[in-house]
Amino acid sequence: KAGVTQTPRYLIKTRGQQVTLSCSPISGHRSVSWYQQTPGQGLQFLFEYFSETQRNKGNFPGRFSGRQFSNSRSEMNVSTLELGDSALYLCASSLDSLYEQYFGPGTRLTVT
Amino acid sequence: AQRVTQPEKLLSVFKGAPVELKCNYSYSGSPELFWYVQYSRQRLQLLLRHISRESIKGFTADLNKGETSFHLKKPFAQEEDSAMYYCALKGMNAGNMLTFGGGTRLMVKP
Repeated sequence: KAGVTQTPRYLIKTRGQQVTLSCSPISGHRSVSWYQQTPGQGLQFLFEYFSETQRNKGNFPGRFSGRQFSNSRSEMNVSTLELGDSALYLCASSLDSLYEQYFGPGTRLTVT
Repeated sequence: AQRVTQPEKLLSVFKGAPVELKCNYSYSGSPELFWYVQYSRQRLQLLLRHISRESIKGFTADLNKGETSFHLKKPFAQEEDSAMYYCALKGMNAGNMLTFGGGTRLMVKP
């Protein structure tokens, strides 16, 4: 079956702009989680959505938001971009919390 | 607050040597522990989880609640084991929220 897909794979934005990243989970998976990966902070949990509801949220400012659609596809939005938002953004999907999470290839965001 | 610590950023061993990647955690409760691996130019993927008690690709990890550790071990390293390894923790009633350690890069030299 097809794996987790993320679009776009690479993105360059200017400070102050906003950006939307997309994640398509494996078919049948209802949980989608988002992570930020940077050299300095490593992998940090952003939020998790399950059946269109945010189930968990990490310690990130309100500029970071997300949503999940009825087909389980998820988007995350970052408003008023800062240089420090440059990172690899990973999403992961699973059937539910008892099951393995499968990660996507990530979206590389560069803020200039 | 929950925390995962991997004290070694880089571990270099020769092929055939034993490997131990260290992971310590802090969590007030009964966590679920995982090891994830990322090979060069590949996605992050689950290697093993403590509740399954499996051996995957020759790797094992035992949860030691007394020492709050979940070290990853392999008796004989192979060159194809070279990768980035992340220890991760999931708390009780935390859905799929994972707390990751900083990662250890394992290099297996021929």
